[in-house]
Amino acid sequence: DTAVSQTPKYLVTQMGNDKSIKCEQNLGHDTMYWYKQDSKKFLKIMFSYNNKELIINETVPNRFSPKSPDKAHLNLHINSLELGDSAVYFCASSLDGEQYFGPGTRLTVT
Amino acid sequence: QKEVEQDPGPLSVPEGAIVSLNCTYSNSAFQYFMWYRQYSRKGPELLMYTYSSGNKEDGRFTAQVDKSSKYISLFIRDSQPSDSATYLCAFILTGGGNKLTFGTGTQLKVEL
Repeated sequence: DTAVSQTPKYLVTQMGNDKSIKCEQNLGHDTMYWYKQDSKKFLKIMFSYNNKELIINETVPNRFSPKSPDKAHLNLHINSLELGDSAVYFCASSLDGEQYFGPGTRLTVT
Repeated sequence: QKEVEQDPGPLSVPEGAIVSLNCTYSNSAFQYFMWYRQYSRKGPELLMYTYSSGNKEDGRFTAQVDKSSKYISLFIRDSQPSDSATYLCAFILTGGGNKLTFGTGTQLKVEL
């Protein structure tokens, strides 16, 4: 039983396209996150939602828009994809401070 | 000065060695201290989580926090090839919405 799942696992797309990544957690956690891991493996938070409300919004281009239809799901929509968006995107969830990560979505923009 | 400093490695040790991984941090408001392990092409996995100075042990792993020196360590005893991974230190601010600030990760290879 997967705790935090993401789809798709791999995403290859061209510049200018719009794409979405989905995340679901079955842990009953209240808070969910999106992180970006760049080519140097540095992990940085992008967004955090608590009970469907946005609570952390780091300096991220507004082409990135998170959406939380319910507290078990947090999706990430990216408009007008750019080469620099190529990275691995991780979803995570937490109840207190302990965060549990999904397997990641490897996005390649060509 | 970076908020978190972590030697990226790679660190190569023989099987059975004791491994010491370290991070220094500059933000006094960090109150929760974590170590994550990340295997290649996988998500980070929480190994250790503590909020006080001192040592916390879990099997072969010991996490050490020294708040006065702003220094945290992870020790791995009797290292195994399966411990080969990238180890990331991570920190949470109080009142920061549980935002994790990560180190850059140290790549560890345990050789037979």
